[in-house]
Amino acid sequence: QKEVEQNSGPLSVPEGAIASLNCTYSDRGSQSFFWYRQYSGKSPELIMSIYSNGDKEDGRFTAQLNKASQYVSLLIRDSQPSDSATYLCAVHNAGNMLTFGGGTRLMVKP
Amino acid sequence: GAVVSQHPSWVICKSGTSVKIECRSLDFQATTMFWYRQFPKQSLMLMATSNEGSKATYEQGVEKDKFLINHASLTLSTLTVTSAHPEDSSFYICSAPLTSGMVGEQYFGPGTRLTVT
Repeated sequence: QKEVEQNSGPLSVPEGAIASLNCTYSDRGSQSFFWYRQYSGKSPELIMSIYSNGDKEDGRFTAQLNKASQYVSLLIRDSQPSDSATYLCAVHNAGNMLTFGGGTRLMVKP
Repeated sequence: GAVVSQHPSWVICKSGTSVKIECRSLDFQATTMFWYRQFPKQSLMLMATSNEGSKATYEQGVEKDKFLINHASLTLSTLTVTSAHPEDSSFYICSAPLTSGMVGEQYFGPGTRLTVT
């Protein structure tokens, strides 16, 4: 079992819709969780971090964390074509390592 | 936000030669830097953790004698691919956390695309 799992996609949504990206992790001792966005041919950039159960909103982005279910999600409201990218879930585990999931490719169609 | 630079952004080299990639933190000091490799349409793979003033920690399966890492200062880490082969062709990316205690919040360099002919 991979430590951090994501559906590779592609996830296709129409412009203006809500995109929902999901991630599960295996290490129950993990304390902090991150979402990175990676455009094709570019390096990742940090877009959200979440440390406690519940929702965290930042503009059009909402990160959701449920530690009991070992589940993290990222919602993108009013999706734009410019949001088309691969979204990487990353988990900071008890071993002080950051582990990345394989990423979900999001395609927002105009 | 924190800025991490990499040089070169792309490089083409012949099989058997060595290539050095530099990673610099421009506006902060980084006691720890990370080196990743990413093949086309594949996930980010951690190669090694670079520690200023000490030896790098390599992930399982990464040859330390082939991928030489030197963390020369608090703002510079270098990755040297020795005796490069075509299968080493990949996208190499470095990253650094703004603070050593916040490993999760990493700032990535723009990456170096290596092509070995």
